[in-house]
Amino acid sequence: DIQMTQSPASLSASLGETVSIECLASEGISNSLAWYQQKPGKSPQLLIYGASSLQDGVPSRFSGSGSGTQYSLKISGMQPEDEGVYYCQQGYKYPWTFGGGTKLELK
Amino acid sequence: QVTLKESGPGILQPSQTLSLTCSFSGFSLSTSGICVSWIRQPSGKGLEWLATICWEDSKGYNPSLKNRLTISKDTSNNQAFLKITSVDTADTAIYYCARTATVVKGWYFDFWGPGTMVTVSS
Repeated sequence: DIQMTQSPASLSASLGETVSIECLASEGISNSLAWYQQKPGKSPQLLIYGASSLQDGVPSRFSGSGSGTQYSLKISGMQPEDEGVYYCQQGYKYPWTFGGGTKLELK
Repeated sequence: QVTLKESGPGILQPSQTLSLTCSFSGFSLSTSGICVSWIRQPSGKGLEWLATICWEDSKGYNPSLKNRLTISKDTSNNQAFLKITSVDTADTAIYYCARTATVVKGWYFDFWGPGTMVTVSS
């Protein structure tokens, strides 16, 4: 199985601050990487797919980058509604796997 | 508008079989490149992919659950199903179904249902 390791496990950001979350795959996944946001009591929502493509309706302050085994999600200007848990997921090969999550809070 | 909704028994006893239904609208499981997946999340924990069924009836299963999973579909009624045999307390979780599609590169869960809570308890 491909292991997905996210860092940090949690972070706190001020309003307007730029935030980065990292995701490391245990082997190359050829940009087959997605990011999801989950708010308390809600189902996850797709933010980024193909490592860097923005899902329809997602604010442009979210961006994704990376290649090979290393990927990152950036939020350019933290907003209160960005609080939640963020997960990466590899869609390269079965079994599809998720990172352990990063809890983002507003400072 | 794509929507999905899960339904299940709510509570069941250890060793029983869990049967889940995903009812969806706004897309068809006969469309090339479209699949439906099941994903679960124990309370306060992360996400675990369980199984996927696709338009051409191919299926994928998480090997960590060995042979306990069976996924199926009813294309004409826009439903997908998941059965998990021999449940125990470790299967207590919120179960989500999600539309799954291949875009650019890879496979992703682009629309999710609200989830259904399943508790395994004696």
